[in-house]
Amino acid sequence: GAGVSQTPSNKVTEKGKYVELRCDPISGHTALYWYRQSLGQGPEFLIYFQGTGAADDSGLPNDRFFAVRPEGSVSTLKIQRTERGDSAVYLCASSLWSSNTGELFFGEGSRLTVL
Amino acid sequence: GEDVEQSLFLSVREGDSSVINCTYTDSSSTYLYWYKQEPGAGLQLLTYIFSNMDMKQDQRLTVLLNKKDKHLSLRIADTQTGDSAIYFCAEKEDYKLSFGAGTTVTVRA
Repeated sequence: GAGVSQTPSNKVTEKGKYVELRCDPISGHTALYWYRQSLGQGPEFLIYFQGTGAADDSGLPNDRFFAVRPEGSVSTLKIQRTERGDSAVYLCASSLWSSNTGELFFGEGSRLTVL
Repeated sequence: GEDVEQSLFLSVREGDSSVINCTYTDSSSTYLYWYKQEPGAGLQLLTYIFSNMDMKQDQRLTVLLNKKDKHLSLRIADTQTGDSAIYFCAEKEDYKLSFGAGTTVTVRA
């Protein structure tokens, strides 16, 4: 596709369940980011991939959160034992590694609601 | 992020100019950005400015950067109803962006 694609767009789950959120970046973009946006806040950095490896996962809030990008394209954000505080919009972005301006192209996000 | 601060709300009459202000903390930021978010949509890059510039104009948008005071502003001329959205200021730190909490702009007729 032309832009960053995220699925599902909405996910409602119960406390304690496991959730996977998928991101399909723009073709050719080697850099991929996950951000989390809580209600009334700006996006907060979670993790950054350069190719297949997580170059910076310092934003992941705890070990219940994990992300992979096994082939350097699609990425999956995994959340174990979900808690109500995990409810937020999870945004994925991609960029060209060589881009001087560092422009990030964002998807529309996956809205996670934990009941 | 807490390192980037913005006023939360702005109400402006259609046809007037809007000015959204932002302060940031990282003096080594190379680029600063303005993103727009409409309801239910992702973030759209509006414009950016390189840190060695004072001003950048792009059609109805004017970005002013005061590097000494770490102050960034976005002026939207002739504000239209379609400009109603949340506007985020962001600074680039190495490879990632840090965002402010966003300014909700409401355009009234």
